[in-house]
Amino acid sequence: QSALTQPASVSGSPGQSITISCTGTSSDVGGSKFVSWYQQHAGKAPKLMISDVSNRPSGVSNRFSGSKSDNTASLTISGLQAEDEADYYCSSNTSSGTLIFGGGTKLTVL
Amino acid sequence: EVQLLESGGGLVQPGGSLRLSCAASGFTFSSNPMGWVRQAPGKGLQWVSSIVQSGDRTYYADSVKGRFSISRDNSKNTLYLQMNSLRAEDTALYYCAKSFRGVIINFDSWGQGALVTVSS
Repeated sequence: QSALTQPASVSGSPGQSITISCTGTSSDVGGSKFVSWYQQHAGKAPKLMISDVSNRPSGVSNRFSGSKSDNTASLTISGLQAEDEADYYCSSNTSSGTLIFGGGTKLTVL
Repeated sequence: EVQLLESGGGLVQPGGSLRLSCAASGFTFSSNPMGWVRQAPGKGLQWVSSIVQSGDRTYYADSVKGRFSISRDNSKNTLYLQMNSLRAEDTALYYCAKSFRGVIINFDSWGQGALVTVSS
């Protein structure tokens, strides 16, 4: 199964908002209540930022929010900060009983 | 504090075998599904396998099905990944991860990874 589709890179200035998209199909993102988003800083393990499309686990800043429309999920980061510079990955469970990740998006804070 | 410590990585020839271990602490291991996720050098995340709390149900990515086997020993708080018939494309950093919302949904705690290199 192919990876979910994410833009390779996005950028924004401090204080701005950015949105990262994650496109799949009706067999994964479109049919799932369990889209997640992860942040991965260089050389570090991933960190869960969003669960169940739009829920923030304890300790995650409310500057991070998630949403979904049809086969596309989105991660929005508001009030961009230098520490947000990282790679971001979406994931979804699938109708075939597997878990699929997006290809990843590199966020650059200008 | 949740801690996951992988071990067992290394260099192996194509067709060879390796077993990864993940020692867990800081949470009730036997109450949580667990999984393995890998990341090839410079590439994205790829889910490999997951296992339910009791160990009697397991799940695999198509790319490793029939070659890899996930298991757990709840008495030792340890997760395993037996990897057989290894290929060059299995070269990656293998993360042990604790499930958050369910067995094949997402992961809220990750180890630092064990590097597996398949090369002759």
